[in-house]
Amino acid sequence: GENVEQHPSTLSVQEGDSAVIKCTYSDSASNYFPWYKQELGKRPQLIIDIRSNVGEKKDQRIAVTLNKTAKHFSLHITETQPEDSAVYFCAASNYGQNFVFGPGTRLSVLP
Amino acid sequence: DTEVTQTPKHLVMGMTNKKSLKCEQHMGHRAMYWYKQKAKKPPELMFVYSYEKLSINESVPSRFSPECPNSSLLNLHLHALQPEDSALYLCASSQQEASTDTQYFGPGTRLTVL
Repeated sequence: GENVEQHPSTLSVQEGDSAVIKCTYSDSASNYFPWYKQELGKRPQLIIDIRSNVGEKKDQRIAVTLNKTAKHFSLHITETQPEDSAVYFCAASNYGQNFVFGPGTRLSVLP
Repeated sequence: DTEVTQTPKHLVMGMTNKKSLKCEQHMGHRAMYWYKQKAKKPPELMFVYSYEKLSINESVPSRFSPECPNSSLLNLHLHALQPEDSALYLCASSQQEASTDTQYFGPGTRLTVL
């Protein structure tokens, strides 16, 4: 089955700097890669997703890139703000299977 | 309505109690999910319902019993739980049970088993 790794497990950045979180997956059949943000005590919320027929997607300060050959995808957050502090989970899924989440990255944006 | 709702928000129960968690969505989604999330861990899939039928049971102990009374509602019946079952229980829904359908999560029920 699918296995998703995520790095780093914790990340601290200064406000205004960029943050990058990387995930790798094992199943080459995976075709959907969402990113969820979870603040303490709250639900996971989808922030961006990418499908396998696209290499990059951007939404304001957030972007995701996908390299299917290398089987990795990354989340990029620019101009970070304190409210970006949260745990971020990547996930991968393929036809006939459900999401497999990465272990999560705790992002702290320092003022 | 673009939300998944869950009740109760918090639940404390003893090991001999029977309780139920409830989840509701009015987005017309046909797939609904139960996840268990322990502290500092990702959500772990427990059950998937597709068109009100159980399609996936991820080897969950029988003390957890899901039920889907209609396309908008999903219940999780709890009986004879163990302290290690204490966790955040998340419900999610998606348009279909397809790999590329976005899952939307409810706020969760924080369960404590004494």
